[in-house]
Amino acid sequence: AQKITQTQPGMFVQEKEAVTLDCTYDTSDPSYGLFWYKQPSSGEMIFLIYQGSYDQQNATEGRYSLNFQKARKSANLVISASQLGDSAMYFCAMREGLTGGGNKLTFGTGTQLKVEL
Amino acid sequence: NAGVTQTPKFQVLKTGQSMTLQCAQDMNHEYMSWYRQDPGMGLRLIHYSVGAGITDQGEVPNGYNVSRSTTEDFPLRLLSAAPSQTSVYFCASSQPRTSGTGELFFGEGSRLTVL
Repeated sequence: AQKITQTQPGMFVQEKEAVTLDCTYDTSDPSYGLFWYKQPSSGEMIFLIYQGSYDQQNATEGRYSLNFQKARKSANLVISASQLGDSAMYFCAMREGLTGGGNKLTFGTGTQLKVEL
Repeated sequence: NAGVTQTPKFQVLKTGQSMTLQCAQDMNHEYMSWYRQDPGMGLRLIHYSVGAGITDQGEVPNGYNVSRSTTEDFPLRLLSAAPSQTSVYFCASSQPRTSGTGELFFGEGSRLTVL
């Protein structure tokens, strides 16, 4: 079974609109962390936001927020006020266990976001 | 700050050749890892290290070797390259979760083509 599932291969959004990128995960470990990374066309991986399984509040970082629904095992990324520079591939990833272990991440297959004028 | 530096950025190999992808980090991170990225498959973990002298296998270790003699360096060796190893390779470093979120800091990637 896939540990991280991103069901939207591609998404379009108009500039200044909000967009939600879906991510569901599967783990039996009660301690885990969820990450979102951005990969622009230049290829580098940029860390955006993190949510720990015991965090009570949804994570936010500027225009990025993580809609964490633990019971549904979903960790959707919300980008508010989209900008042309947000056009990129977005990856959801999970680390099982909160400490030690080398911070091994399992990645989803990604969602390609295109922001249009 | 250089962060995580990978060399080379591009490489073309013939089947059966060997090569080493270099990775160095200057953030004094304990953890280092190698991932490969293939179209439609996201990133998959090849090998990782939790400190100098300690390495372990990830999801797709076959055909690759690693060693970690210093905190800074974590080279990835392809012993006998195969076309299936054509991919983009990312090196990453991080600190244990107790020092923050434990997010990975990635190098810029190395694009390898095996003919």
